[in-house]
Amino acid sequence: AQTVTQSQPEMSVQEAETVTLSCTYDTSENNYYLFWYKQPPSRQMILVIRQEAYKQQNATENRFSVNFQKAAKSFSLKISDSQLGDTAMYFCAFRRGSQGNLIFGKGTKLSVKP
Amino acid sequence: EPEVTQTPSHQVTQMGQEVILRCVPISNHLYFYWYRQILGQKVEFLVSFYNNEISEKSEIFDDQFSVERPDGSNFTLKIRSTKLEDSAMYFCASSALPQGSYEQYFGPGTRLTVT
Repeated sequence: AQTVTQSQPEMSVQEAETVTLSCTYDTSENNYYLFWYKQPPSRQMILVIRQEAYKQQNATENRFSVNFQKAAKSFSLKISDSQLGDTAMYFCAFRRGSQGNLIFGKGTKLSVKP
Repeated sequence: EPEVTQTPSHQVTQMGQEVILRCVPISNHLYFYWYRQILGQKVEFLVSFYNNEISEKSEIFDDQFSVERPDGSNFTLKIRSTKLEDSAMYFCASSALPQGSYEQYFGPGTRLTVT
């Protein structure tokens, strides 16, 4: 069975600085997809960034980038130039290539301090 | 921007009662999902639904649960006889396609409290 582990329950960062959130996963699959979702307080989860396992190049979306290490089964999220609006729960998620359901980690609560 | 909506935002019910949680997926999406998150725990997949039938379900989704798309817009999750352990946040999601890197769009959730 696939599992997703986020080892940092809470993190904080100063505004404008960079922070990295960790995620590891366990799978025997070769075809899969990885996602980071953000959940602001009392709001729905929104997709931040996604990575296809078959792509070697790390995904980037503006201030958000990932460090995807397939052999190590690691998928960390880097947020550059942190903004107050980045304060949220961040969930790492895994999806097998042949299925639709997402498997989530427990989340990391990120606080950006002014 | 289109979004998934859910009602009610908070539902309180007594143990043994039936509850129906409602979701309106994004209009051109064809795949629908329910997830739940017990307080302090991870978000867990319950069920996916396509073409008026269940396409996948987890072991959590037992005979107490059912899903339905009663009309062209709503997608519902019914819990027949609620238990204390059903207290959780329930999230609905929808996607245009089910697999690969296609995004699932989530609703804001319904907090279910069973007393």
